Amino acid sequence: DAGVTQSPTHLIKTRGQQVTLRCSPISGHKSVSWYQQVLGQGPQFIFQYYEKEERGRGNFPDRFSARQFPNYSSELNVNALLLGDSALYLCASSLGQPSNQPQHFGDGTRLSIL
Amino acid sequence: AQSVTQLDSHVSVSEGTPVLLRCNYSSSYSPSLFWYVQHPNKGLQLLLKYTSAATLVKGINGFEAEFKKSETSFHLTKPSAHMSDAAEYFCVVSVSSYGGSQGNLIFGKGTKLSVKP
Repeated sequence: DAGVTQSPTHLIKTRGQQVTLRCSPISGHKSVSWYQQVLGQGPQFIFQYYEKEERGRGNFPDRFSARQFPNYSSELNVNALLLGDSALYLCASSLGQPSNQPQHFGDGTRLSIL
Repeated sequence: AQSVTQLDSHVSVSEGTPVLLRCNYSSSYSPSLFWYVQHPNKGLQLLLKYTSAATLVKGINGFEAEFKKSETSFHLTKPSAHMSDAAEYFCVVSVSSYGGSQGNLIFGKGTKLSVKP
């Protein structure tokens, strides 16, 4: 069975541009979460979606937005990119709303801002 | 508020010797705790999870962790290290609150495990 898939794997942008990252959850999983992992740090929570509704938001500016589609895939959008947005962006899925369920991670999208 | 503290940023062991990666947690509720592993340029793989069923939790690849409420600890151990265990390990607590944030993960800063031949 396919795991969580993310695209693209790598992306290079310049300051001020906009970017869209994509995530397909494990088949049957209805919850998708997004995390940002800056080099040398642990991942930080950005968003959680369950059944196409936002169920949680981390401490990130409004430049970050996301949505979940009827097939449970998800997109993360970042506007007005800053150098500090350079990071590995991880998507995780879980079967239901992840109260104590394990989340399964994709390999991430590495975003570099020049 | 929940948080985790990984006590060592880097641990180095020889192949075949025991591994101990230390983690302390802080939680107002009965916590859900996890250990994840991340190999270079890869996503995170779940090693094991604690959700109050048993204090000694066995995971994949021979790893296990013991939940000690009195010490607020959840240390990860393995009896004998393999070269393939070299990676970054994250101790994680799941946010336990009612409402939209339930289930979000809070990660420690990670412990890099090096295994010498």
